[in-house]
Amino acid sequence: DAGVTQSPTHLIKTRGQQVTLRCSPKSGHDTVSWYQQALGQGPQFIFQYYEEEERQRGNFPDRFSGHQFPNYSSELNVNALLLGDSALYLCASSSLSSPLFGPGTRLTVL
Amino acid sequence: TQLLEQSPQFLSIQEGENLTVYCNSSSVFSSLQWYRQEPGEGPVLLVTVVTGGEVKKLKRLTFQFGDARKDSSLHITAAQPGDTGLYLCAGLRAGGTSYGKLTFGQGTILTVHP
Repeated sequence: DAGVTQSPTHLIKTRGQQVTLRCSPKSGHDTVSWYQQALGQGPQFIFQYYEEEERQRGNFPDRFSGHQFPNYSSELNVNALLLGDSALYLCASSSLSSPLFGPGTRLTVL
Repeated sequence: TQLLEQSPQFLSIQEGENLTVYCNSSSVFSSLQWYRQEPGEGPVLLVTVVTGGEVKKLKRLTFQFGDARKDSSLHITAAQPGDTGLYLCAGLRAGGTSYGKLTFGQGTILTVHP
């Protein structure tokens, strides 16, 4: 089992652009959560998807949106990128268990 | 609002020394987890503590959950250079119905010098 996988590994965008990040959960996991981690800080919860619906949301603007597909994989979309959106974006999957984190996508906004 | 205060933020020690990292909150958590994260990688779960007063040991690492389930500590005995990394505590709020929404502390960057 490959665990949680994320793509791409690294991404460079410019201000105002839009980005889509992808996550495949661990086999058997049906819940996907997204976190943003600034350099040297702890991850901050963005939102969580279960049964293809957003179940919980953290304190992030509407520029951050997501989707979960029938196979439980998920996407995180960020519109109108700002310099402050530069961070490591982590996906975590779970199913009545402790979340398992993927390696993250490093997003740099120039 | 930072619900979990982690201290110290930075720790630089020599190989063989002992250290303790603290995680404190005014909120009650149903469980608390400790993670270790390497640069460019996702956090890796070390332990989950659930019961107030619980103590768990993982080789040279000892984890404790406070009696009131508001705080936790991580103690490392005889630290080694391989222990270097970012240590994160994360809590699941009491009454929460989800295992996905974790509240993280700001992390402790540990550097162990040979």
